[in-house]
Amino acid sequence: DAGVTQSPTHLIKTRGQHVTLRCSPISGHKSVSWYQQVLGQGPQFIFQYYEKEERGRGNFPDRFSARQFPNYSSELNVNALLLGDSALYLCASSLTSVIPSYEQYFGPGTRLTVT
Amino acid sequence: LAKTTQPISMDSYEGQEVNITCSHNNIATNDYITWYQQFPSQGPRFIIQGYKTKVTNEVASLFIPADRKSSTLSLPRVSLSDTAVYYCLVVMDTGRRALTFGSGTRLQVQP
Repeated sequence: DAGVTQSPTHLIKTRGQHVTLRCSPISGHKSVSWYQQVLGQGPQFIFQYYEKEERGRGNFPDRFSARQFPNYSSELNVNALLLGDSALYLCASSLTSVIPSYEQYFGPGTRLTVT
Repeated sequence: LAKTTQPISMDSYEGQEVNITCSHNNIATNDYITWYQQFPSQGPRFIIQGYKTKVTNEVASLFIPADRKSSTLSLPRVSLSDTAVYYCLVVMDTGRRALTFGSGTRLQVQP
């Protein structure tokens, strides 16, 4: 079975530009979360979507937005890019929001470099 | 959110058992303890999860004392491929699936 896939793998953008990152969850998984990981730090939560609805939002500015499509794939959009947005962007999927399992499956990430 | 504290780094040798301890003094009654592993340029990978006492799977064991204010991830007979960053997380029992990662423990396994 395919794991979580993300595209593109690497991306270079200029300050002020906009970027769209894409994620396809594991088949059957309805929950998708996005994380930002700056070099040397742990991943930081950005958004969670479940059944196409936003279920959680981390402490990120409004320049960050996301959506989930009927096939459960997701996009993360970042507007007006800043140098500090350079990071590895991770997508994670999970089967449901039903507890107590907190096992999330992460994709390989998209490495975004803002120059 | 319960804050976690774990060592910044650890060194070990192949074949040894490695124990990484995490403290979470203000863990709530319904919180779970979860550990993830991350290799460079890859997403984190779930290792193990527990609530109390001991949990064991094919990869690791997780020991949680009765007061639940700390937990220990035990990796038996590590190999070079276990060199990675290990994250201890306390996850709230709210249905919200956001994971809060700290800085993790960087484990270096030497030959």
